Order: sequence, then C-alpha cells, then structure tokens
Amino acid sequence: EPEVTQTPSHQVTQMGQEVILRCVPISNHLYFYWYRQILGQKVEFLVSFYNNEISEKSEIFDDQFSVERPDGSNFTLKIRSTKLEDSAMYFCASSLRAAEAFFGQGTRLTVV
Amino acid sequence: DQQVKQNSPSLSVQEGRISILNCDYTNSMFDYFLWYKKYPAEGPTFLISISSIKDKNEDGRFTVFLNKSAKHLSLHIVPSQPGDSAVYFCAVRGGGATNKLIFGTGTLLAVQP
Repeated sequence: EPEVTQTPSHQVTQMGQEVILRCVPISNHLYFYWYRQILGQKVEFLVSFYNNEISEKSEIFDDQFSVERPDGSNFTLKIRSTKLEDSAMYFCASSLRAAEAFFGQGTRLTVV
Repeated sequence: DQQVKQNSPSLSVQEGRISILNCDYTNSMFDYFLWYKKYPAEGPTFLISISSIKDKNEDGRFTVFLNKSAKHLSLHIVPSQPGDSAVYFCAVRGGGATNKLIFGTGTLLAVQP
C-alpha cells in the first residue's frame, strides 16, 4: 500500500541552526501539506502546496519556514533559524483530491 | 482555537461492545469531516470521512454520523477490538477555497479484552 515517508525520524539541532525535514508523498497525489504537533497539543496546520506553489499557510508559517518540491518526488520543509518552541512532531501529508490527507510517520524535531 | 472539540479525553470500552466517539464543531461552513486514528510516535492514519451533504457513511466496523443542525459528528466502532486502542482525532475541512484540516484534541480509546 502506498505511503508517505519522512526522514529523518528524529532530528536534534541547536537553537539558531537550519533544519530540513524531508518527505516523499504518495506518487500520484497532487496536494502536499505540513502539520505539526507540539507535545500535549493539537495537530496544527502549517502549509499546503499545490501546483508547485503554496496554496495556503497558517500564522505559524512565518518567514523562518519555507517549503520546496525540488523534484518530482520530494517535498521539504526548511526552518532557517530554529527556536526552542519549534520542538514538535512534524507531519507531512498528501492527498489526491482536496479531501482525505494521508500522513507520514512524522519527524520528531528537538531544538536544544 | 476551539473550532473543533472532542469533550471526552478518554473512553474505555469492553471488547465486542460499541465505541462511540464524539466531536463538536462551531462553523456551519465546514464541508468535509474526517476521523483519524493515531498510535504514539506515529502519524495520524485516515479512517473514514463524510461530506456535509450526507448524514452517514459506513466502512466495515466504522460508521460516521453527521448531525449538521447540532454541528456534531460521531464515530461508531462495532464491534470494538483491543487493536482499536489508540487516540482518535476528528478533523474538519474549512470549506470554500481552503483544504487545510482543523483537528480536535483527540480521545484516547482503550478497548479492554
């Protein structure tokens, strides 16, 4: 069964460093998303990407964040200068239609 | 942000019985409703969804009910199995041009053998 895969599963980084979280969405899907879940809180939307551009972003997704689809298969989230409060589980998701999103297993980002 | 609420943080059910998970939402513009299951340290797994034009959708042991007048969504699992033990999230799509999902806080379901 096709699935969304994310790497790495766990990333530890120092405050102020740049991190890139990687995702391979399901191959025929057209919509791509990043969500995150801070420990003990809700899963929250960060950004959606369609037709090679950002279609929507949340207030969380400020200038420190960027997304890219560098080739036909990968979808990345970059955080330019990490802060302690960026520590969370980051989930990539994809969907064929603007409906059910299928999620990866997540990357646990720990900023120290 | 309290647009989607799951008022029961946890639920315990005996194996073989029905599990009923509930979700309330505030905005009548929401047009698509979904349930996800999540194990610790894994991503949410899609279970079942329903469009706002329907009031019931069934898939095997899982049935989702939508009561638009009450702005209420429920998931029924019959019969419940120990492997169903997980956190269940309801999620809604905002409607209109948005396709982002807004998640509830989750309900931890424990199915006792």
